[in-house]
Amino acid sequence: SQQGEEDPQALSIQEGENATMNCSYKTSINNLQWYRQNSGRGLVHLILIRSNEREKHSGRLRVTLDTSKKSSSLLITASRAADTASYFCAKGGSEKLVFGKGTKLTVNP
Amino acid sequence: ETGVTQTPRHLVMGMTNKKSLKCEQHLGHNAMYWYKQSAKKPLELMFVYNFKEQTENNSVPSRFSPECPNSSHLFLHLHTLQPEDSALYLCASSPRSRGRSEKLFFGSGTQLSVL
Repeated sequence: SQQGEEDPQALSIQEGENATMNCSYKTSINNLQWYRQNSGRGLVHLILIRSNEREKHSGRLRVTLDTSKKSSSLLITASRAADTASYFCAKGGSEKLVFGKGTKLTVNP
Repeated sequence: ETGVTQTPRHLVMGMTNKKSLKCEQHLGHNAMYWYKQSAKKPLELMFVYNFKEQTENNSVPSRFSPECPNSSHLFLHLHTLQPEDSALYLCASSPRSRGRSEKLFFGSGTQLSVL
């Protein structure tokens, strides 16, 4: 299975702080994707990083990928209360995506 | 809006009922998916359709019956469900699904409660 672990399972920070979430996987990947989900809603794609890339930015998001350690991290800088959501990494292999259990982020005003 | 619309948003049904979930995408995609999301578990892929053809059935019980009449519409027919089938059912689409893992566009989901 390509499923790995995301950590932490839950993270609570104050507005303005940075939030870092990690994702590990077990087998080789073609890409790794991060999604966000607000409570009871669908997932929204945030960023895709390919296996030959090491870092990618999108606004306040920064994703890194270390294929030697089979891990990725998502950094949200200058967090806002509206960033409160669950964040999932999805490992892309030759066929389907495999999602992790997610990190629940709470940003306190 | 992601361009993927699911109805209904909420559904409560008894174990003997028959109901259907509907998904429609306005993105011109050729692949559509059903996922199940239960509390404390990773997202579970149920079915995949490419160009209206079912290409994956992830060992889903027969009480869940998918239908894809065209590339824009996907249904999930439900009958004689069990309480453990209560979950958020998510529909997604992508340009295609074969050969690589692409970015998925999700609907808002149907929150299903089976009594």
